[in-house]
Amino acid sequence: KAGVTQTPRYLIKTRGQQVTLSCSPISGHRSVSWYQQTPGQGLQFLFEYFSETQRNKGNFPGRFSGRQFSNSRSEMNVSTLELGDSALYLCASSLTSDRAYEQYFGPGTRLTVT
Amino acid sequence: AQSVAQPEDQVNVAEGNPLTVKCTYSVSGNPYLFWYVQYPNRGLQFLLKYITGDNLVKGSYGFEAEFNKSQTSFHLKKPSALVSDSALYFCAVRPAMNSGGSNYKLTFGKGTLLTVNP
Repeated sequence: KAGVTQTPRYLIKTRGQQVTLSCSPISGHRSVSWYQQTPGQGLQFLFEYFSETQRNKGNFPGRFSGRQFSNSRSEMNVSTLELGDSALYLCASSLTSDRAYEQYFGPGTRLTVT
Repeated sequence: AQSVAQPEDQVNVAEGNPLTVKCTYSVSGNPYLFWYVQYPNRGLQFLLKYITGDNLVKGSYGFEAEFNKSQTSFHLKKPSALVSDSALYFCAVRPAMNSGGSNYKLTFGKGTLLTVNP
């Protein structure tokens, strides 16, 4: 079974621009979560989607948004990019939203904002 | 709100020696606990989890972890370390029961860099 895939793997953007990252979960998985990983803050939860509905949201500004499609694929969007948004963005999928289930992570999208 | 502490930023062990990566947690009610490993330029890989039952949990690649409720700890262990175990290890927690708010999320520790020397 194919793992979680994320596109693109690397991205360079300029301050003020916007960006869209894509995530395809493992086949059959219906829950998708997004995380931001930086050396200073570690892994921080952005949001979780299940059946096209946002189930939970972390403490990020409204510039960060996401959505999930009927095939469980998910996208996250960051508008008006800031230098501090440079990070590795990780997507993780899980069979359901049941919190006992482990999450499986993709390789991440490395975003650099200049 | 829940939290995870990994008190050691870095752990160094010799190949063949036992290894321990420490984790303590804080959560309302009973916890679900997870260990993940991250290799350079890769996403996180699931190692093992504690949900309920036996306090000693066995996972992938010979790793195990012991849940200690009184000490709120979930240390990761391996009897004999390999050079290939060198990586960044993350402990994570989420509450077993929903007490409302944003505590539904999976909360990660800062990570511990394990280096196994040949």
